[in-house]
Amino acid sequence: GAGVSQSPSNKVTEKGKDVELRCDPISGHTALYWYRQSLGQGLEFLIYFQGNSAPDKSGLPSDRFSAERTGGSVSTLTIQRTQQEDSAVYLCASSLLGRPNEKLFFGSGTQLSVL
Amino acid sequence: QKEVEQDPGPLSVPEGAIVSLNCTYSNSAFQYFMWYRQYSRKGPELLMYTYSSGNKEDGRFTAQVDKSSKYISLFIRDSQPSDSATYLCAMIVSGSARQLTFGSGTQLTVLP
Repeated sequence: GAGVSQSPSNKVTEKGKDVELRCDPISGHTALYWYRQSLGQGLEFLIYFQGNSAPDKSGLPSDRFSAERTGGSVSTLTIQRTQQEDSAVYLCASSLLGRPNEKLFFGSGTQLSVL
Repeated sequence: QKEVEQDPGPLSVPEGAIVSLNCTYSNSAFQYFMWYRQYSRKGPELLMYTYSSGNKEDGRFTAQVDKSSKYISLFIRDSQPSDSATYLCAMIVSGSARQLTFGSGTQLTVLP
């Protein structure tokens, strides 16, 4: 595709349920990022994948959060036992090589609502 | 205290006005400075990028970086209703591809 694709665009779930969010980056981009954006807050870094290197998971807020990237392309962010404070927009971005001055291309995000 | 501070607004201006958006930061190691624009229900998109101190101009947009004051600005001249969006500053330490540090964003509305 032409851009970063995220699905679903909206997800409503009940507290305690698990959710999976999907990100399909731009073809050929080696770096993939997950961010979380809460109302009135900036983007909070969650996790970073670069090629075949071990992911940087330092931004994950708890062990309920995990992510994987299969075949260097599609990524899935999983939140187990969701809590109301997990409600936010989850944004995925990709860049060509993951260099500091590179442009990040963002998807439109998944709006997660935990009831 | 956050590493990057940005006035959330909202900021409302008439069409044609000059808009000034600002961020301050505390980490002197930041070397790359960006401005992202985010329309409602969309992901952010890169608007301007500068390295170290100085000015950069692109059409109606000018980005300024003052490293001595740890202060960056984005100016929008002849603002248009289509400029209505949230503007996020972002910055990164040289050599670190791990993450950008974002401001919380300033919501701008340009009234026709």
